[in-house]
Amino acid sequence: DAGITQSPRHKVTETGTPVTLRCHQTENHRYMYWYRQDPGHGLRLIHYSYGVKDTDKGEVSDGYSVSRSKTEDFLLTLESATSSQTSVYFCAIRGELNTEAFFGQGTRLTVV
Amino acid sequence: AQSVAQPEDQVNVAEGNPLTVKCTYSVSGNPYLFWYVQYPNRGLQFLLKYITGDNLVKGSYGFEAEFNKSQTSFHLKKPSALVSDSALYFCATYYGNNRLAFGKGNQVVVIP
Repeated sequence: DAGITQSPRHKVTETGTPVTLRCHQTENHRYMYWYRQDPGHGLRLIHYSYGVKDTDKGEVSDGYSVSRSKTEDFLLTLESATSSQTSVYFCAIRGELNTEAFFGQGTRLTVV
Repeated sequence: AQSVAQPEDQVNVAEGNPLTVKCTYSVSGNPYLFWYVQYPNRGLQFLLKYITGDNLVKGSYGFEAEFNKSQTSFHLKKPSALVSDSALYFCATYYGNNRLAFGKGNQVVVIP
């Protein structure tokens, strides 16, 4: 498996609280992605990064922010969690253009 | 915006029979197409990709996919399905500025 670790693996949080998910890679890959997976919707891109401090929005970015201060870490923050953000979140990494992406094991987030 | 479509939610097939999972794409220029598989409570695993060259691409676990430009399709195939092939399958492509988009996924059920 590619060197990609997500933390935490499971989290339960209350509505209105901030939450930060971490994606850590040891592959020195340039591109990193955050997705959420929901039944009937497949995987939807939240944000992605194409280098340190270089990020861009995906298709479902509202309510989420990201930061990448170093190559190996890509953080996803829910500033004020809502029940609609209950989901499984996946991080992915990719090397050069048009190569395949590798995925982490996912974080199951429940907002109550 | 979705750049790949998986028209079927679930595919049922008897063990030993051929398996086909359908994917169509809508991407300008030359498409870069991927198939991934997800087993329960796991991250996505890369199966195969089409970048250029032969239209028939071979991948992991006996899977192959055929790129058809005239039909804008990239169907995943396996000549003889196994019960262990039961999983969720995703088609994916790059679009825009290095965004990786996924279809909604197909649940494959192989019946013993």
